[in-house]
Amino acid sequence: DTEVTQTPKHLVMGMTNKKSLKCEQHMGHRAMYWYKQKAKKPPELMFVYSYEKLSINESVPSRFSPECPNSSLLNLHLHALQPEDSALYLCASSQHSTGGTEAFFGQGTRLTVV
Amino acid sequence: GENVEQHPSTLSVQEGDSAVIKCTYSDSASNYFPWYKQELGKRPQLIIDIRSNVGEKKDQRIAVTLNKTAKHFSLHITETQPEDSAVYFCAAMGSNYKLTFGKGTLLTVNP
Repeated sequence: DTEVTQTPKHLVMGMTNKKSLKCEQHMGHRAMYWYKQKAKKPPELMFVYSYEKLSINESVPSRFSPECPNSSLLNLHLHALQPEDSALYLCASSQHSTGGTEAFFGQGTRLTVV
Repeated sequence: GENVEQHPSTLSVQEGDSAVIKCTYSDSASNYFPWYKQELGKRPQLIIDIRSNVGEKKDQRIAVTLNKTAKHFSLHITETQPEDSAVYFCAAMGSNYKLTFGKGTLLTVNP
């Protein structure tokens, strides 16, 4: 299984809603990532989890709250988002290796904030 | 932090021609350099990667070269086909597992 699975595929939420994005992988990867991608732009790193611990937070606003309940799951909790937060949210995972390894991306959640 | 520059931003070639995309990076500690292809509405997919202890790597019509001294790496696609049309991203990863992307190149292969 070389898949990273994200749910839901599409999400429309109001600015007062609370929602969660979910990501799952069963490749035994111990590094997991959240990226945000706006149209015609590269993926922009938000968070990195290493062995289920948050290792990088790229100064992301607190209305985005990541969670890594176990080595296979990664969540992104959303609260009080703004319309400019509308984007494709990509989850990725990779092995831990000092030489660097391939990051496998999920198909993404397309989020629209209204 | 790492900064990755990618050129050109758009590239149009005729089917059968070669395409070259170039990237530079700033952090000498970066040691892994993947290239991703992203078709419209789809996820980025790895097409080739290279590690810092290797100067060149080839996989059929795709090759990547790395010059660590100059801190630049390039993607070469030969005998381009219409299905090669997509956005291509270079990236660099350091020891903290942070993957930094270039701004992307929109490649159009005209039949």
